[in-house]
Amino acid sequence: DAGVIQSPRHEVTEMGQEVTLRCKPISGHDYLFWYRQTMMRGLELLIYFNNNVPIDDSGMPEDRFSAKMPNASFSTLKIQPSEPRDSAVYFCASSFGTTSSYNSPLHFGNGTRLTVT
Amino acid sequence: QKEVEQNSGPLSVPEGAIASLNCTYSDRGSQSFFWYRQYSGKSPELIMFIYSNGDKEDGRFTAQLNKASQYVSLLIRDSQPSDSATYLCAVRGRGKTSYDKVIFGPGTSLSVIP
Repeated sequence: DAGVIQSPRHEVTEMGQEVTLRCKPISGHDYLFWYRQTMMRGLELLIYFNNNVPIDDSGMPEDRFSAKMPNASFSTLKIQPSEPRDSAVYFCASSFGTTSSYNSPLHFGNGTRLTVT
Repeated sequence: QKEVEQNSGPLSVPEGAIASLNCTYSDRGSQSFFWYRQYSGKSPELIMFIYSNGDKEDGRFTAQLNKASQYVSLLIRDSQPSDSATYLCAVRGRGKTSYDKVIFGPGTSLSVIP
């Protein structure tokens, strides 16, 4: 079974450009999480979805960030316009969401390393 | 107060010793707790999870949970150099609609010295 798939693995862009990160969760998982990791702030929860519906986007830093999940097998995180302080590793993770979902661990993708110059 | 806190590192232990990693959380209603290991440049990988008070053992790893004290720990017995990594504590707690929000602690860097 394929794991969580993220693309691209690396993204280098100039300040002001639009960046789109992509994620394909594990088939059958109905929770999807987006995290950002930096040395200074650790692993921060940006937004998460349940059954393709955004549940909590309070971690999204600014209006420049947006996320969508048009179907159960695809999600995007978009930054427009990008800034140097957005440089980080962005992880997507998915999990089951049954009645006992509190036991369900997150499975992570390999991450996208974003560098904004 | 941060939602999930971990003992500050880095933590260094000699090979063969017991490594003890600690985590506290602020939401008393949190349901389940996870320990992840992350090697440099890699994504977090699950070591084990626990949701009932007490101990849970899996090989060289033991997770301990005390909900009254809002405390969870991870013990690594017979530490090996390959255990050198950052250990992340994650808590599944109260979200907007259910107990489904997963927050991570800042991590503890462990170094096992041969």
